[in-house]
Amino acid sequence: GAVVSQHPSWVICKSGTSVKIECRSLDFQATTMFWYRQFPKQSLMLMATSNEGSKATYEQGVEKDKFLINHASLTLSTLTVTSAHPEDSSFYICSASDRLGNQPQHFGDGTRLSIL
Amino acid sequence: QKEVEQNSGPLSVPEGAIASLNCTYSDRGSQSFFWYRQYSGKSPELIMFIYSNGDKEDGRFTAQLNKASQYVSLLIRDSQPSDSATYLCAVGRDAGNMLTFGGGTRLMVKP
Repeated sequence: GAVVSQHPSWVICKSGTSVKIECRSLDFQATTMFWYRQFPKQSLMLMATSNEGSKATYEQGVEKDKFLINHASLTLSTLTVTSAHPEDSSFYICSASDRLGNQPQHFGDGTRLSIL
Repeated sequence: QKEVEQNSGPLSVPEGAIASLNCTYSDRGSQSFFWYRQYSGKSPELIMFIYSNGDKEDGRFTAQLNKASQYVSLLIRDSQPSDSATYLCAVGRDAGNMLTFGGGTRLMVKP
């Protein structure tokens, strides 16, 4: 089945640090990748949709200057949380779908971000 | 108004019983329907997807879709304690494109 790799799995850093999270599709070409955030005991909240070679589409209320998304290739998208603060602490999860949109979204293992 | 609704639970069933998880959605244009399982602290794992009205079976899992009633369900037969998790219903217009997730139903299977 489709495999999506996400790295790192856990980050603990000081307030003000910028953190980069990578999402890779290992066995298919992902034209579209999605970034979600999940706070404890809440459901997934879509942050942005990333299409290869174009600018990401952000959901309402998500600051695009704070959450920088790059999708430079068909297998890699990155999310950078700039100048992270404690309120940014959350579980960040990416998912990917293939070129034709036929592949259901498959999720990476997630990145737990803790800002001190 | 939430677009995808699920009872948050917990739904508690004894081991070996059938667990029935339900989901309703508001967008009549939805064409693809997914069930994901999420263990605590882990990312969602795809269990089933269904695109057509009716039932789709895969092992102990059966997904049921009724587009007229805007209703999708997941049945888990012979429930096991390892099935205890939160089950997320997701709905979209296309298979690989943006999905809207329900809040999830927490299932507890008791030995």
